[in-house]
Amino acid sequence: TQLLEQSPQFLSIQEGENLTVYCNSSSVFSSLQWYRQEPGEGPVLLVTVVTGGEVKKLKRLTFQFGDARKDSSLHITAAQPGDTGLYLCAGRYAGNNRKLIWGLGTSLAVNP
Amino acid sequence: EPEVTQTPSHQVTQMGQEVILRCVPISNHLYFYWYRQILGQKVEFLVSFYNNEISEKSEIFDDQFSVERPDGSNFTLKIRSTKLEDSAMYFCASSPQGTSGNTIYFGEGSWLTVV
Repeated sequence: TQLLEQSPQFLSIQEGENLTVYCNSSSVFSSLQWYRQEPGEGPVLLVTVVTGGEVKKLKRLTFQFGDARKDSSLHITAAQPGDTGLYLCAGRYAGNNRKLIWGLGTSLAVNP
Repeated sequence: EPEVTQTPSHQVTQMGQEVILRCVPISNHLYFYWYRQILGQKVEFLVSFYNNEISEKSEIFDDQFSVERPDGSNFTLKIRSTKLEDSAMYFCASSPQGTSGNTIYFGEGSWLTVV
């Protein structure tokens, strides 16, 4: 079974705090993507990571792909209420297989 | 910025009826996908489509489902004889070829309610 686990499942913090959410699997990914999803809407792509150890920054968001390409993290600095949402990771395994395997997501609430 | 568009945004249908969900992928993309998300559950892969044929499908994608690219722009998902458990958000997605194909772009979704 291909599993991709995200933690924590829920996170409620105050504006200005830092946070990290995690995405873990026992399998190796050829690439991994982070999305943000609002209720009733489609996932909006934030970033794609491909290389083990890769770090990408998107304003206050820092994404890291594990050296072994089995895990990833998303760190948000000085969280804002506008960061509230569901953060999903989705990975693709090596080979011609193009389907994405999804985590259940981390639901983030940033309180003013 | 180019985006994947889907219609309808919401459809209510009676059990047993046929439904067609429509998608316009990003114009220069070559791979197309359908995913679904039942309320409160993970996004699940249904099918991928390339070069006018299905390249991969999940166990969910049985004979009840079919996909078609009837012209150069649309990509459709047909669900025959809908069941209550088909109620979900259905997402269309597309990706370009090559290494850029690591990135998959999603539409806003079509919310299907079977009653």
